[in-house]
Amino acid sequence: QSALTQPASVSGSPGQSVTISCTGTSSDVGGFNYVSWHQQHPGKAPKLMIYDVSNRPSGVSNRFSGSKSANTASLTISGLQAEDEAVYYCSSYTSSSTLVFGGGTKLTVL
Amino acid sequence: QVQLVQSGSELKEPGASVKVSCKASGHSLSSHAMNWVRQAPGQGPEWMGWINTNTGIPTYAQGFTGRFVFSLDTSVSTAYLQISSLQSEDTAVYYCTRADYGDHNRLDSWGQGTMVTVSS
Repeated sequence: QSALTQPASVSGSPGQSVTISCTGTSSDVGGFNYVSWHQQHPGKAPKLMIYDVSNRPSGVSNRFSGSKSANTASLTISGLQAEDEAVYYCSSYTSSSTLVFGGGTKLTVL
Repeated sequence: QVQLVQSGSELKEPGASVKVSCKASGHSLSSHAMNWVRQAPGQGPEWMGWINTNTGIPTYAQGFTGRFVFSLDTSVSTAYLQISSLQSEDTAVYYCTRADYGDHNRLDSWGQGTMVTVSS
């Protein structure tokens, strides 16, 4: 199973919105509504931010939202804050009953 | 408060074995599937597989068969990852992370990670 494709980096100024894409195939992202997004700060464990394409766990800011179209999922962060600077990973359930992660996108808050 | 607490960093020589523990607190170990994820230095996470915490039956991802073993000790609410015949390529942070049985990609709680370094 190949890793999902994410841009290596994105950036935005405080208060702006950014969108991170995650492209897979019809065997993973496109085939199931089981796409998640995780935030990882340096030296820390990943933290679940979005699951099932667009659901937020309790305690996650509503500035984070998710969507999907065909084989591409997206994470949008609105009202950027300095604390949002991190690496973001998408993951998806697959037709082989496995999980696959993306390569990660480094978000820089300018 | 749901927590997964992992054992500390390990430094091992090539060919040795290592056993990483992951203790669940704040919830019943059997309530969720336990996944294991590897993250090599500077790389993204890689799913290694999962273990059914009710039956003890493991499922291994491609590339993690043979030298990798998932196990449980339900009496102490702990899951284990054992890696044998360690190679330099096994140097990574290993995470345990739980998931809903009905939604295997809802990895809603992660251990703090265990750094395993393989070096002579």
